[in-house]
Amino acid sequence: NAGVTQTPKFQVLKTGQSMTLQCAQDMNHNSMYWYRQDPGMGLRLIYYSASEGTTDKGEVPNGYNVSRLNKREFSLRLESAAPSQTSVYFCASREDSGANVLTFGAGSRLTVL
Amino acid sequence: KQEVTQIPAALSVPEGENLVLNCSFTDSAIYNLQWFRQDPGKGLTSLLLIQSSQREQTSGRLNASLDKSSGRSTLYIAASQPGDSATYLCAVRRTGNTGKLIFGQGTTLQVKP
Repeated sequence: NAGVTQTPKFQVLKTGQSMTLQCAQDMNHNSMYWYRQDPGMGLRLIYYSASEGTTDKGEVPNGYNVSRLNKREFSLRLESAAPSQTSVYFCASREDSGANVLTFGAGSRLTVL
Repeated sequence: KQEVTQIPAALSVPEGENLVLNCSFTDSAIYNLQWFRQDPGKGLTSLLLIQSSQREQTSGRLNASLDKSSGRSTLYIAASQPGDSATYLCAVRRTGNTGKLIFGQGTTLQVKP
């Protein structure tokens, strides 16, 4: 099983450019999340989606938009990239019953020049 | 506001040593606590999840404990090996149904052969 798949793995943007990070999970999970990880800051929640068709802001949503296209896919869009958005981005999904374990993708490393 | 702290930030031990990693949180109203491992340049792998009603969980050489009243969790690694070298993060899930996790900044462990 693939689990949680993120694309692209690496991306370099210029300030002001836009891009979308894609995330897909094949575990039939309802809940999906986008985090960013920065040195000294740990992981911070950007947006999350409790189910298909719903999205909510996390701790650091400014400068980002999300789309829960269907149950499998949850994308993160940067409309006008800024150097402060240079980070490693992780998508995750959570099983809905049982232990509620969170499963992460491998990450997308984004550099904004 | 829930805050999660992990001390120390880095730890270096000789192979074979038993060790304890610490995680503390400020709000005892948690749903569960999860320990993750992160290898350099990789995503997060779930190690253990402790529900709020549990005191500990074990998997192989790993044992995680939870003391909600004192706001503490520990991850015990027995007979450490060089392959255990990684960053270990704890994350607390708040009560409620959003499933949002609050992460500590992690402890980077180096096990020397």
